[in-house]
Amino acid sequence: DIQMTQSPPSLSASVGDRVTITCRASQGINNALAWYQQKPGKAPKLLIYRASTLQSGVPSRFSGSGSGTDFTLTINSLQPEDVATYYCQKYNSVPFTFGPGTRVDF
Amino acid sequence: QVQLQESGPGLVKPSQTLSLTCVVSGGSIRSGNYHWNWVRQSPGKGLEWLGCISYSETIYYNPSLKSRITILVDTSKNQFSLRLDSVTAADTAVYYCARDGVDWGQGTLVTVSS
Repeated sequence: DIQMTQSPPSLSASVGDRVTITCRASQGINNALAWYQQKPGKAPKLLIYRASTLQSGVPSRFSGSGSGTDFTLTINSLQPEDVATYYCQKYNSVPFTFGPGTRVDF
Repeated sequence: QVQLQESGPGLVKPSQTLSLTCVVSGGSIRSGNYHWNWVRQSPGKGLEWLGCISYSETIYYNPSLKSRITILVDTSKNQFSLRLDSVTAADTAVYYCARDGVDWGQGTLVTVSS
């Protein structure tokens, strides 16, 4: 199975900062990658799919890039409501594995 | 926008079977090219994809669950279900159903304990 890793595991930032989270697949997955935001006690929320396509209704400060094995989620101008854990997920083939998550706080 | 709602027992004894249902409203489970998924999250841990049933009723399972998992769809009731056999404390988690990754249920906590 393809393994997914994320870095860093956690980070602290300030309001207005640019935040970058990296997701790496152990084998190429083309652009079959999604990013989710999860707040405590809530279901995950889809932010990005197909590596770089912004889901409808998601603020434009969120962006995704990458293809193959290396992917990035960027949050431009971090806002207080962005405090959450962020997960990547591959969906090119079964199993649709999630990364371990990156916790973002202030 | 479709809504999903999980239901089932909140407490299951070790070695028994965990059974959950996801009722879909606001749209037909038979329409569109969607995958209907089960995902779980153990307390304080990350997300684990369990399996899904596709729009063509092809079923995919996480190999890590081996032969313990069964996913079924009941189109007449617009719902799909999860069955997990021989549970242990390690199966204690919040279980989510989701349509692709877009629409999610609120999640239901299942505790495995005697």
